[in-house]
Amino acid sequence: GAGVSQTPSNKVTEKGKYVELRCDPISGHTALYWYRQSLGQGPEFLIYFQGTGAADDSGLPNDRFFAVRPEGSVSTLKIQRTERGDSAVYLCASSLTPGKTYNEQFFGPGTRLTVL
Amino acid sequence: QQQVKQSPQSLIVQKGGISIINCAYENTAFDYFPWYQQFPGKGPALLIAIRPDVSEKKEGRFTISFNKSAKQFSLHIMDSQPGDSATYFCAASIFWSSNTGKLIFGQGTTLQVKP
Repeated sequence: GAGVSQTPSNKVTEKGKYVELRCDPISGHTALYWYRQSLGQGPEFLIYFQGTGAADDSGLPNDRFFAVRPEGSVSTLKIQRTERGDSAVYLCASSLTPGKTYNEQFFGPGTRLTVL
Repeated sequence: QQQVKQSPQSLIVQKGGISIINCAYENTAFDYFPWYQQFPGKGPALLIAIRPDVSEKKEGRFTISFNKSAKQFSLHIMDSQPGDSATYFCAASIFWSSNTGKLIFGQGTTLQVKP
C-alpha cells in the first residue's frame, strides 16, 4: 500500500511569510509525528498526534509553529513569520497506536523548506 | 540537551568489511533503541531495534550490541556492501512509561562502502 506522503516536496519562501506543510499518513495509522531535520543533523521531534489531538507538542520551538489534524488523518504543520533558521527538512511519520508493543514509525520523504 | 551522542560522524569501509557505529545515551528512562537508515532524498527507515533487557539482536548482516551499564549501544554491519552506503541514525525512546513513542535521534553517521 501507499506510504506516508508529504507535500510539497520543496518549498521556497521569503522571510516573514506563512507556510503550510501537509502530511498524509498511512491509512489506519492513528499516531502521527512531525520531526525537523537540519542539514547534517538527526531528526528532532516537534509534535505527536494521537487521533485528532496533539498529545505531545513539547518539541515545537516557539509559538510561530502550529500543527493540526482535524479529522485524525491528514495533518498540516503551519509556520508563521518564517525565519531563515526555519530552513530544514520537515519529516512526518505515522504508526499504529502506541500500546503494548512498540509500533514502527514510517517516515515520509519530507518537505525541504528554504527561507530566503 | 544532547541526549543521544553518535560516532563517528563519517565512516569509509571496504566492501566485505565490518562497519561499526556507536551511540551513547544519558537518560536511563529510555527503553527502546532503534537504528534508522536514510538514503538521500528519502525519509529514515527502520533497520533494527532493541530493548534494554536484551544485550544483542541480530537480523541478517545487522547486529545491535547493547551495554546497559555503560549506557551505550552499537550497530555492526557485517560484510558491508556498496548498497549499504547511506546515513545511519541511532535513536532512543521513552516508550513504555510515556506511551508517545517519540524518538530522540543521534547526529547521524554517513557510511560509504567502497567497491
